[in-house]
Amino acid sequence: GNSVTQMEGPVTLSEEAFLTINCTYTATGYPSLFWYVQYPGEGLQLLLKATKADDKGSNKGFEATYRKETTSFHLEKGSVQVSDSAVYFCALRLTQGGSEKLVFGKGTKLTVNP
Amino acid sequence: KAGVTQTPRYLIKTRGQQVTLSCSPISGHRSVSWYQQTPGQGLQFLFEYFSETQRNKGNFPGRFSGRQFSNSRSEMNVSTLELGDSALYLCASSLGFGANVLTFGAGSRLTVL
Repeated sequence: GNSVTQMEGPVTLSEEAFLTINCTYTATGYPSLFWYVQYPGEGLQLLLKATKADDKGSNKGFEATYRKETTSFHLEKGSVQVSDSAVYFCALRLTQGGSEKLVFGKGTKLTVNP
Repeated sequence: KAGVTQTPRYLIKTRGQQVTLSCSPISGHRSVSWYQQTPGQGLQFLFEYFSETQRNKGNFPGRFSGRQFSNSRSEMNVSTLELGDSALYLCASSLGFGANVLTFGAGSRLTVL
């Protein structure tokens, strides 16, 4: 079936460190890929997305490139801030038989210390 | 414009009771999806409604049900509550059917004792 695997957290970094959160997927077709972020006490917010191979999604200094050959969509940021502390979810959306839904990874908790 | 509003934000129930959660989508959004979030299972899709019709359903027992009204507001109901139903229930809305970009509410945190 369709699934998303994220690196297990928690991840703890110092401010201005480089961030990578790995995400790989299994899908029977050609999914769209997303990163969502959940700040404490809030719902999920879309961070970035990519809809086809080699697309790069970017937002707020975060980037992720859709790699079809490695079925990956790793999230990166060059210099994290304390305000980036949150839980990050990788997700895919696939259309099958007229039905679509999002499949989420289990989330990776990031803590950035000053 | 106002975001997705979920009520209540927190509630405590006992086993065997039932619960109804409400979700008001962003104005103009016609699709509403529900997810259950737990530490062990992560985010699991419950169902999606569009134009008052259930269009997608996840792998949850029949105790979990939902509906959507003509104004796109949605409710989900869980009957005969079990301890394992304790979770954060998230509602998300989008413009159309098919899990386009979703906007999530802050969730309803249900504790079953």
